[in-house]
Amino acid sequence: SQQGEEDPQALSIQEGENATMNCSYKTSINNLQWYRQNSGRGLVHLILIRSNEREKHSGRLRVTLDTSKKSSSLLITASRAADTASYFCATGPTGANSKLTFGKGITLSVRP
Amino acid sequence: AAGVIQSPRHLIKEKRETATLKCYPIPRHDTVYWYQQGPGQDPQFLISFYEKMQSDKGSIPDRFSAQQFSDYHSELNMSSLELGDSALYFCASSLALGDTQYFGPGTRLTVL
Repeated sequence: SQQGEEDPQALSIQEGENATMNCSYKTSINNLQWYRQNSGRGLVHLILIRSNEREKHSGRLRVTLDTSKKSSSLLITASRAADTASYFCATGPTGANSKLTFGKGITLSVRP
Repeated sequence: AAGVIQSPRHLIKEKRETATLKCYPIPRHDTVYWYQQGPGQDPQFLISFYEKMQSDKGSIPDRFSAQQFSDYHSELNMSSLELGDSALYFCASSLALGDTQYFGPGTRLTVL
């Protein structure tokens, strides 16, 4: 079954606007990570938030985590055309293993 | 800063052939992970190694095997290739289990 489910599946905004992407998951987690992927390219790590954290910032990125609702959101402020990419949330489970379970990904298009 | 290195970047094989993908983790990272991403799909965890021992196993076919060597590089061996094995194969490394995973650029495998 799918662990991380992102919504919306696709988002199109104007440059300068904010973009909010949501992710839900099903099981207990140790951490949740957001990655960006340009078409057919590698996965770039954006931010990691641990299960005991509620909010984290990194530059124009703001991530929140609500473990009671098993959900996370990624906010990109003042978006740029270069932010156009697919965004994935990935959950790291509790326990000794640490494989990431990825969601389906959100395609963000930022129009110049 | 040094990143994860994967080779080759592109590989074309015929059905039933074998392929070997290589991954060189970031220096001092002792944990390596392999993921498979089919066209338009999210990355799926295959297998991981910590200190040269297998630490977790995901949806890896029996036709695939992997190992981590004394210098911490890892190889994914794929035999009896099928058309459905065509995908991007990512390697990631982390400083420790449960830590941020940094992904390589991927190997694009095409099976004809």
